Amino acid sequence: EPEVTQTPSHQVTQMGQEVILRCVPISNHLYFYWYRQILGQKVEFLVSFYNNEISEKSEIFDDQFSVERPDGSNFTLKIRSTKLEDSAMYFCASSDRRETYEQYFGPGTRLTVT
Amino acid sequence: AQSVAQPEDQVNVAEGNPLTVKCTYSVSGNPYLFWYVQYPNRGLQFLLKYITGDNLVKGSYGFEAEFNKSQTSFHLKKPSALVSDSALYFCAVRDILEDDKIIFGKGTRLHILP
Repeated sequence: EPEVTQTPSHQVTQMGQEVILRCVPISNHLYFYWYRQILGQKVEFLVSFYNNEISEKSEIFDDQFSVERPDGSNFTLKIRSTKLEDSAMYFCASSDRRETYEQYFGPGTRLTVT
Repeated sequence: AQSVAQPEDQVNVAEGNPLTVKCTYSVSGNPYLFWYVQYPNRGLQFLLKYITGDNLVKGSYGFEAEFNKSQTSFHLKKPSALVSDSALYFCAVRDILEDDKIIFGKGTRLHILP
């Protein structure tokens, strides 16, 4: 069964450093998403991406964040200058059509900012 | 704006007994409702959804959920719990009047006692 994959599984970085989290969505999916889950808290929407552009973003997704689909398979989340409060589990998700409704999630990348 | 409430942080059920994990929601329009499960060190796994039609929807691993519009609830149920059902369960909603982001509840940890 096709799966969303994410790398790395755990990333440790120092405050102020740039990080790139990588995702490979399910191959025939066209809609891509990033969510995050701060430890012990709920999963929060960050951004949705379709047709090579952001379709929606939350207030969390400020100028420090960016997303890109650099080739036909990868979908990346970049944090330009990490802060301590960026420490969280970041989940990538994809869906095949907006009308299909369910989103398929990857295993997540745990980001620790020290 | 849409929201989801899961009133129980944890639910304990003896193996073989029926289980219920509660969820209520708030949306402006008609809701699309989902349940996801998260096993330790794993991503979010889709269980079931309600879009339209029968109020009782069946999903993976013997789980089902009942959509109750008057009570704005979408409780997750299973007739006979297994120890392997122990995990973190998230209720989620998408408002069809909004864009396609999913809003998650804070999660309920389900413990099935052998």
